[in-house]
Amino acid sequence: GESVGLHLPTLSVQEGDNSIINCAYSNSASDYFIWYKQESGKGPQFIIDIRSNMDKRQGQRVTVLLNKTVKHLSLQIAATQPGDSAVYFCAENSSGGSNYKLTFGKGTLLTVNP
Amino acid sequence: DTEVTQTPKHLVMGMTNKKSLKCEQHMGHRAMYWYKQKAKKPPELMFVYSYEKLSINESVPSRFSPECPNSSLLNLHLHALQPEDSALYLCASSQLPGLAGKETQYFGPGTRLLVL
Repeated sequence: GESVGLHLPTLSVQEGDNSIINCAYSNSASDYFIWYKQESGKGPQFIIDIRSNMDKRQGQRVTVLLNKTVKHLSLQIAATQPGDSAVYFCAENSSGGSNYKLTFGKGTLLTVNP
Repeated sequence: DTEVTQTPKHLVMGMTNKKSLKCEQHMGHRAMYWYKQKAKKPPELMFVYSYEKLSINESVPSRFSPECPNSSLLNLHLHALQPEDSALYLCASSQLPGLAGKETQYFGPGTRLLVL
């Protein structure tokens, strides 16, 4: 079936470095993508989203890139801080299915070393 | 304000107990969701309410019974749970998907449930 997955399950970076978290998806009908951050013991926190009519979107210290040709999504975090340590999930919704259902990737654990 | 609140934060219950989880949002969202999340796994959708009516049930066992008393509140009633039901239960809400497309789901902090 269709799925959303991540290339790297863990990522360790030094404080101040830029982080890149990747996500591959297989459903060509996917048209809405969200990145969530989940800290230990907390619920997922919305970071940024992007619709399929865009290939880049920027937020505060974060940038999401969407490459529909290769079905790849990435989250870039600039000047990574210890508070960025968390599990990051990509999620997608596809046209033709329920507008309410998100398909989540497995998650990437980001560890920021001081 | 994008806050979804959930109570209790933690819950321990026996297999014969009846308990309820509560969720509240004041963002005017008309879609509300229950998810279950096991350790080191992504959230799994359980139920979706749209305009206070159940619109999606992901084949969840009847020992989980959702209820949406009004547009701001969502409950999950628990009865005769099994130890394997121990998990983090997350509530989320969103605007209704419409002409503008899909809408972001905002999650609460979750209720950590342990079934003994």
